[in-house]
Amino acid sequence: DGGITQSPKYLFRKEGQNVTLSCEQNLNHDAMYWYRQDPGQGLRLIYYSQIVNDFQKGDIAEGYSVSREKKESFPLTVTSAQKNPTAFYLCASARLAGNQETQYFGPGTRLLVL
Amino acid sequence: GQQVMQIPQYQHVQEGEDFTTYCNSSTTLSNIQWYKQRPGGHPVFLIQLVKSGEVKKQKRLTFQFGEAKKNSSLHITATQTTDVGTYFCAVPFSGGYNKLIFGAGTRLAVHP
Repeated sequence: DGGITQSPKYLFRKEGQNVTLSCEQNLNHDAMYWYRQDPGQGLRLIYYSQIVNDFQKGDIAEGYSVSREKKESFPLTVTSAQKNPTAFYLCASARLAGNQETQYFGPGTRLLVL
Repeated sequence: GQQVMQIPQYQHVQEGEDFTTYCNSSTTLSNIQWYKQRPGGHPVFLIQLVKSGEVKKQKRLTFQFGEAKKNSSLHITATQTTDVGTYFCAVPFSGGYNKLIFGAGTRLAVHP
């Protein structure tokens, strides 16, 4: 069953703690993306990657870090430097062919700060 | 910088009424995509429009791409409660890099 998975579904973070959100895809997509969504708001791009071992900052990268060691995986770390991390985090993937292909989204991770 | 404006931000309708959301770009587009996000869910791709003046239909949904390729609309005929959610347009970033710029979305509420 092909798709994109994110875990965990819910995550609780204590003040000053780093947490890592998982994103895995078996669609053989080259590009992967992380978005943040606040209640009632749109999608804001955190980081994206078009190829293994390479990634670029999006519009709101401060307080976040990523890695892309494998094509299938693009984990996001929310560091203690992110002062307001409570949000819904969405991972997406897409082929790289022509001009911007469709993005496929995972089910998301809801992060809450305790 | 590149901007994508989507209106309205929010719309209430009675079941059976029509609904339209509009997306306007500050730049000419190569294509535009539409996504739907159900409450508590994740965005799901609906359609991509590529040609100037293109009109595509999916059952009660009609998607249109403007002649100048700078605007688009999504029209739902005779809304149903299953149409509830937020509809986003998304356009390619003009600087390349295979990334999308998403509109802020239109949240649709349908009252039975």
